[in-house]
Amino acid sequence: SQQGEEDPQALSIQEGENATMNCSYKTSINNLQWYRQNSGRGLVHLILIRSNEREKHSGRLRVTLDTSKKSSSLLITASRAADTASYFCATASSGSRLTFGEGTQLTVNP
Amino acid sequence: GAVVSQHPSWVICKSGTSVKIECRSLDFQATTMFWYRQFPKQSLMLMATSNEGSKATYEQGVEKDKFLINHASLTLSTLTVTSAHPEDSSFYICSASNPSPGPPGRPLHFGNGTRLTVT
Repeated sequence: SQQGEEDPQALSIQEGENATMNCSYKTSINNLQWYRQNSGRGLVHLILIRSNEREKHSGRLRVTLDTSKKSSSLLITASRAADTASYFCATASSGSRLTFGEGTQLTVNP
Repeated sequence: GAVVSQHPSWVICKSGTSVKIECRSLDFQATTMFWYRQFPKQSLMLMATSNEGSKATYEQGVEKDKFLINHASLTLSTLTVTSAHPEDSSFYICSASNPSPGPPGRPLHFGNGTRLTVT
């Protein structure tokens, strides 16, 4: 099974609202990353949070990490229609291979 | 920087034929590249790790004779789907880290993927 599991699987909101996506994982990690995928395209790296960090910001993105609960959340503030995409968390444990979660499909309605 | 280019972006082929997909790192050298497969509305499944100048490392359950990987230079890895069948229809994506190889867990740069349809 996938290391990361996103919740919810799908999220539909109105422009201007905030979007929150969650990710849970099973094993210890070195870092956790969030990626975005537009339909039919490759993934784009958004943000990385290390295992010793609890929160990180990048523009309208805010990521939290709770290693005791083995979970992370991605918050997109003031969403825009252009934020419509699938969002994946990926965990990095020992070694260089990332393991991707199932993804959250975000739809931002104008 | 760190652009990964994948070609073609889509391909339609007949059952039984072979298809080659190219993955190039345009502005950096990639000793290691990763090939993923993605079904609609699903996550990425790592198929294999491509290593420049040596054999690829395949994930469990991936047929190495069906999915041939060649990494002949520091900027090019190719995936050939041999004797393609309709069940091979999928979205194939390559990626690499910069630098490559890099520290474990370094962010990946992805190509734009190849949509393969086998009729």
